Amino acid sequence: LAKTTQPVSMDSYEGQEVNITCSHNNIATNDYITWYQQFPSQGPRFIIQGYKTKVTNEVASLFIPADRKSSTLSLPRVSLSDTAVYYCLVGEDSGGYNKLIFGAGTRLAVHP
Amino acid sequence: EAQVTQNPRYLITVTGKKLTVTCSQNMNHEYMSWYRQDPGLGLRQIYYSMNVEATDKGDVPEGYKVSRKEKRNFPLILESPSPNQTSLYFCASRGLWEQSYEQYFGPGTRLTVT
Repeated sequence: LAKTTQPVSMDSYEGQEVNITCSHNNIATNDYITWYQQFPSQGPRFIIQGYKTKVTNEVASLFIPADRKSSTLSLPRVSLSDTAVYYCLVGEDSGGYNKLIFGAGTRLAVHP
Repeated sequence: EAQVTQNPRYLITVTGKKLTVTCSQNMNHEYMSWYRQDPGLGLRQIYYSMNVEATDKGDVPEGYKVSRKEKRNFPLILESPSPNQTSLYFCASRGLWEQSYEQYFGPGTRLTVT
């Protein structure tokens, strides 16, 4: 079972870059790494996905080292509206994309 | 608009009274899933379905049933609800035609069992 470990919480200030690291030591060869954002009482929202190296979209960047045992979500110049819980997710190695295991998440608080 | 809908959004019921939470998606997704979210425990998968008539247990299936008779619908059934099933429930869907884990989540159903 590919479990993930993330910091429980982080604090930052508006305009700063935030890096959230996720550990997934047992990631399987075919598993992708995905990050979601969740605001209180709302469903999670997809942010970014990657397999290895670096992926960037309009919202964030995802850095994955060669051994793939960890990944880092980078949020450039955060604002107050980025205050949320961020989940790192990897797929379970069960022959496909069946079980997707959410970690406990990282609660990010952005301060003025 | 592409979306996942859940009904009801809020439900208060009593122990033992059967209930169904509906989930529907309009994106023609093969994969659908149910999660529950409890304080401090993140999201835990209850059941998932890879397609019509193909369902499987997630991490916390006890006390729940699902069915997938149509591609767009994936109802969650609690035959005899108990207070420990008080939780926030999310339905999600995903297309399987590409190698992506992007799931689309519904707005959630807050269930209270007294």
